[in-house]
Amino acid sequence: AQSVTQPDIHITVSEGASLELRCNYSYGATPYLFWYVQSPGQGLQLLLKYFSGDTLVQGIKGFEAEFKRSQSSFNLRKPSVHWSDAAEYFCAVGPRIYNQGGKLIFGQGTELSVKP
Amino acid sequence: DTEVTQTPKHLVMGMTNKKSLKCEQHMGHRAMYWYKQKAKKPPELMFVYSYEKLSINESVPSRFSPECPNSSLLNLHLHALQPEDSALYLCASSPKDTALVPLHFGNGTRLTVT
Repeated sequence: AQSVTQPDIHITVSEGASLELRCNYSYGATPYLFWYVQSPGQGLQLLLKYFSGDTLVQGIKGFEAEFKRSQSSFNLRKPSVHWSDAAEYFCAVGPRIYNQGGKLIFGQGTELSVKP
Repeated sequence: DTEVTQTPKHLVMGMTNKKSLKCEQHMGHRAMYWYKQKAKKPPELMFVYSYEKLSINESVPSRFSPECPNSSLLNLHLHALQPEDSALYLCASSPKDTALVPLHFGNGTRLTVT
């Protein structure tokens, strides 16, 4: 079965500390991989995506993620967290085949709180 | 700033009302999506339009009726909704040359059904 697991429902980090949000997936083949962020009352914003090539992907707002095929993981990292990073983070996987589109499989999300 | 614009931001409707949600993008994207999101949950896909044709309907009840009048506009017509339909409704879009996955989301319409 296809699934995405974000093991941490809620994480609290201090401002300026480093951050790693975990994401593991189960999928028939290597999917497209995504991280989205959702601030309260807002829509989802794409942080970064992995389609192919370099397995270390740079995104917006200083985030990066590393695709590890052997571990079926796509963890999100940031070296120094800012208070404005407090939000809900969703990992998602999607099909590489165009006509199966739209069927992103989302993880349940990780809520990030930032301590001053 | 979001490049996918949704109106209204908030909507309260009774179970006998008819209302519509509107979504607009001017990025030249050819795929548009409707998602439903309940509190503290990930979004759930409802519909996908590709080149203005309905490509995917995720077995959504007929009280939700999508419409894509042109490549920039996407509507969701609502009729005889139930209180459990209260949720955040998100529109999204993506370019034609990518896999059909939503890359740009609007800020959503917060719908309350009374």
